[in-house]
Amino acid sequence: AQSVTQLGSHVSVSEGALVLLRCNYSSSVPPYLFWYVQYPNQGLQLLLKYTTGATLVKGINGFEAEFKKSETSFHLTKPSAHMSDAAEYFCAVSPNNAGNMLTFGGGTRLMVKP
Amino acid sequence: DTEVTQTPKHLVMGMTNKKSLKCEQHMGHRAMYWYKQKAKKPPELMFVYSYEKLSINESVPSRFSPECPNSSLLNLHLHALQPEDSALYLCASSQVGAPGDEKLFFGSGTQLSVL
Repeated sequence: AQSVTQLGSHVSVSEGALVLLRCNYSSSVPPYLFWYVQYPNQGLQLLLKYTTGATLVKGINGFEAEFKKSETSFHLTKPSAHMSDAAEYFCAVSPNNAGNMLTFGGGTRLMVKP
Repeated sequence: DTEVTQTPKHLVMGMTNKKSLKCEQHMGHRAMYWYKQKAKKPPELMFVYSYEKLSINESVPSRFSPECPNSSLLNLHLHALQPEDSALYLCASSQVGAPGDEKLFFGSGTQLSVL
């Protein structure tokens, strides 16, 4: 079975500061890992994904994440927060032999202070 | 067109009502999904259709009845719901391909309130 744990249900940063959202996974098989963002009253939008290959993955809106197998982590970062980044962020995992079977973490609400 | 369109955006229904949620996409995706998202919680998978056939049912109560009449449409029929079924219902679609190639496109959801 696969699962992801997001550390911190709420993260608050100042505009221009580094954003770090934490995600640790548990998987009995090599996982595929995803970060999704959900703006208020919206569906989810894919930010980035890791399947195989390069462990540093770049996504949309300046976000990136690094797959660290030794730490079973897939933390999401952005060098400089923007007010428009305020949203709910979900880490998700799917086993690499089961297609689109996403399991989401509990979510982290990012707040950006002016 | 990279949109998944869900209607209605909001729905209030009584426990004896019958209603339907609709989802439409024109991206040629052959996999479509229903997720349920309670407030401040992550989405939970309910159903998956692949090539218009139900491939996954995550032990959802029978008061939720999905239907995929064609490759562009996905419905969720609701009957005799309970107040605890109040949630945001999200539809998503994706290509059917090699694992890892999938990218889910989500609609904005239907906010359902059961009184």
